[in-house]
Amino acid sequence: AQTVTQSQPEMSVQEAETVTLSCTYDTSESDYYLFWYKQPPSRQMILVIRQEAYKQQNATENRFSVNFQKAAKSFSLKISDSQLGDAAMYFCAYRPISGNTPLVFGKGTRLSVIA
Amino acid sequence: DAGVIQSPRHEVTEMGQEVTLRCKPISGHDYLFWYRQTMMRGLELLIYFNNNVPIDDSGMPEDRFSAKMPNASFSTLKIQPSEPRDSAVYFCASSPLRGVVVHEQYFGPGTRLTVT
Repeated sequence: AQTVTQSQPEMSVQEAETVTLSCTYDTSESDYYLFWYKQPPSRQMILVIRQEAYKQQNATENRFSVNFQKAAKSFSLKISDSQLGDAAMYFCAYRPISGNTPLVFGKGTRLSVIA
Repeated sequence: DAGVIQSPRHEVTEMGQEVTLRCKPISGHDYLFWYRQTMMRGLELLIYFNNNVPIDDSGMPEDRFSAKMPNASFSTLKIQPSEPRDSAVYFCASSPLRGVVVHEQYFGPGTRLTVT
């Protein structure tokens, strides 16, 4: 069974600084998607960034980027120039490419941004 | 499109009562997922449907839980009888069969259920 592990229950970062959230996963699949979701206090799940495992290039979306290490099964999220609005729970998620299957989530990391 | 719609947003009920959560997926989406979020277990899949047919209900915790999708625009998750340990946030998500990113899931705002 696939599993996703986020080892940092809580993180904090100073405004305008950079923070990295860690995620590791376990799968026997060769092709899959990885995602980072943001959940602010409103509870809405917001897709931040996605990575296809067959792509070697790390995905980037504005201030958000990932470090995808397929051999190590590691998928970290880097937030640059942190803003107060980045404060939220962040979830790492996995899904195989084949078929339309449910997401497997990590337990989440709560990020605080200090002004 | 209005996105995935869930109702109610908040539900408080007493132990033993029946609870029904509702979801309207995005029009044209073929897949619908129900997830539950708790502090202890995080986000877990309960059940998902493809073209209104349940595909995998192995995440449904017990017989007290049931889910239906009578048509492409409506799904319900029912708990009868409810127990305090059912208190959680319940998310509905829908997904198209084809798209820019194949099978991307779009989440509703969730229903926070409190069972006293």
